[in-house]
Amino acid sequence: EADIYQTPRYLVIGTGKKITLECSQTMGHDKMYWYQQDPGMELHLIHYSYGVNSTEKGDLSSESTVSRIRTEHFPLTLESARPSHTSQYLCASNEQGPAYEQYFGPGTRLTVT
Amino acid sequence: DQQVKQNSPSLSVQEGRISILNCDYTNSMFDYFLWYKKYPAEGPTFLISISSIKDKNEDGRFTVFLNKSAKHLSLHIVPSQPGDSAVYFCAATRNTDKLIFGTGTRLQVFP
Repeated sequence: EADIYQTPRYLVIGTGKKITLECSQTMGHDKMYWYQQDPGMELHLIHYSYGVNSTEKGDLSSESTVSRIRTEHFPLTLESARPSHTSQYLCASNEQGPAYEQYFGPGTRLTVT
Repeated sequence: DQQVKQNSPSLSVQEGRISILNCDYTNSMFDYFLWYKKYPAEGPTFLISISSIKDKNEDGRFTVFLNKSAKHLSLHIVPSQPGDSAVYFCAATRNTDKLIFGTGTRLQVFP
């Protein structure tokens, strides 16, 4: 059973606000990921990390930033939210080694008004 | 350019019958393929996978078939159950941890 958590589950916020989406996992996984998904569309990788102090940008350009200070925690921050940031944000993790199956959190549905 | 394509946005199947979900890919270098299932308001959950060195992998009611020459894979669910109603995503990778996802197919299983 995968244990990966995201908070908040839903967030409605005004334009210009700074927000942080939280993601935590208790499996000790070194590798963590952030995806963005719009309805009816594919999941797009926006950030990933292979361990503490390691972060990389994904295939989809994003104005968000991430940090990885602890193995279990991988928060995503938007300094100034805009309506174009409205989307679902999904966090995932997996083990080291040749393991491609990623475990996903429940997601955060963000709406910027 | 979309490398993983799920051309059917939706599929409706009667309970007890077979559900066949299709996925096409363009990158011949992909070497591992996965299927995920997603319920509303939840994250995707891993369902089944297949390596490019195989052409079939089975797990209970779920079977994935891979046709490398056609760059096509399919997920068969037999028998289909109402609890299988969800969005199914196909994903592929090229020996890395970066998964490339399709747009998903919404499966509805009706009584």
